[in-house]
Amino acid sequence: QQPVQSPQAVILREGEDAVINCSSSKALYSVHWYRQKHGEAPVFLMILLKGGEQKGHDKISASFNEKKQQSSLYLTASQLSYSGTYFCGTETDSWGKLQFGAGTQVVVTP
Amino acid sequence: DTAVSQTPKYLVTQMGNDKSIKCEQNLGHDTMYWYKQDSKKFLKIMFSYNNKELIINETVPNRFSPKSPDKAHLNLHINSLELGDSAVYFCASSQGQGVGKLFFGSGTQLSVL
Repeated sequence: QQPVQSPQAVILREGEDAVINCSSSKALYSVHWYRQKHGEAPVFLMILLKGGEQKGHDKISASFNEKKQQSSLYLTASQLSYSGTYFCGTETDSWGKLQFGAGTQVVVTP
Repeated sequence: DTAVSQTPKYLVTQMGNDKSIKCEQNLGHDTMYWYKQDSKKFLKIMFSYNNKELIINETVPNRFSPKSPDKAHLNLHINSLELGDSAVYFCASSQGQGVGKLFFGSGTQLSVL
């Protein structure tokens, strides 16, 4: 079953912050985050394993709350290059079946 | 050097035709995947192979048949194409099986007329 992402879309000015949420109805083994720019392939951002860790990638970081089966992606001091669609992907076991959410479109304006 | 390459990039064809998409990775990864992205941008897993062995086979019509001649290649053959098959098909690979960073190919835009 695919995870639920929110919001569907967000518009930011350069320098503003945003949070994208991802939740699952099933116990999670891991959460992945990818960004896809228009007409391109999704690009890996980070993986979070169960254990509630927080990871970072430049000024983009994420947390994973295993008990709530939720993950959040934090875009801090957004840059124009952050524009794109962000997908969370979840695994419920170690077999490599990654289910993606519907995506969150992020538009960063000057 | 492209890590995951798929061909063709664009495929326009008539309903009822048979077509193939090829994928090759030079990363030495063990696992390869096919994902379908529809017009609403839903990314859905179709198949995965680990060392040429089929691991994941989602509820995909029998008209779709993956073939992995070796662990660096995973091709997708589609028979009797239908309008609803129009989508972008992405090949991807990862090291090992499960909990791995996915490297995606650039995608094949399939349009069925």
